[in-house]
Amino acid sequence: GQQVMQIPQYQHVQEGEDFTTYCNSSTTLSNIQWYKQRPGGHPVFLIQLVKSGEVKKQKRLTFQFGEAKKNSSLHITATQTTDVGTYFCAGPKWAQKLVFGQGTRLTINP
Amino acid sequence: DTEVTQTPKHLVMGMTNKKSLKCEQHMGHRAMYWYKQKAKKPPELMFVYSYEKLSINESVPSRFSPECPNSSLLNLHLHALQPEDSALYLCASSPTGQGIQPQHFGDGTRLSIL
Repeated sequence: GQQVMQIPQYQHVQEGEDFTTYCNSSTTLSNIQWYKQRPGGHPVFLIQLVKSGEVKKQKRLTFQFGEAKKNSSLHITATQTTDVGTYFCAGPKWAQKLVFGQGTRLTINP
Repeated sequence: DTEVTQTPKHLVMGMTNKKSLKCEQHMGHRAMYWYKQKAKKPPELMFVYSYEKLSINESVPSRFSPECPNSSLLNLHLHALQPEDSALYLCASSPTGQGIQPQHFGDGTRLSIL
């Protein structure tokens, strides 16, 4: 079945360093979504990418969708302690089902 | 503040108890979801309701019984649960069930089975 693989599983950085998480699908995706879950919290929707090669920015966060629509990345520039959490990518399997990647847990040393 | 409200926030129950989890949203969304999330794992889909009808059941054991009384409410009835059912149960909603749209999650119910 469709799988969404996400790496790395964990990432620890010094505050101010950059961070990137990668997501790969075994099949072509119609779109991909990114969510952030703070420790003890719930997933919060960040963004949805739909077009091949799409790049979107939200302040220090840059999201990319690959040309083949099978991979995606989230890059955070100059991390801050507020960026701590687990970042999930998620792709649709059927019309109503999202398949989540395993997540990348980001911790930051202030 | 979340726009999807779940109650209770915490629940401890024995294996013979019957309890219900509740979820409410007032965003006019017509698709609602139940997820189960174990520690350090991604959310796993359990059920999807679209326009108040059950559209997806991910082969969930019958000890979990969903109910959608109206477009704003979603319940999850629990009976004879097992210790491995201890997890965070998340409710989510999206505008319609058509295509994949961003999902809004509630804070979840942390369930512990004794």
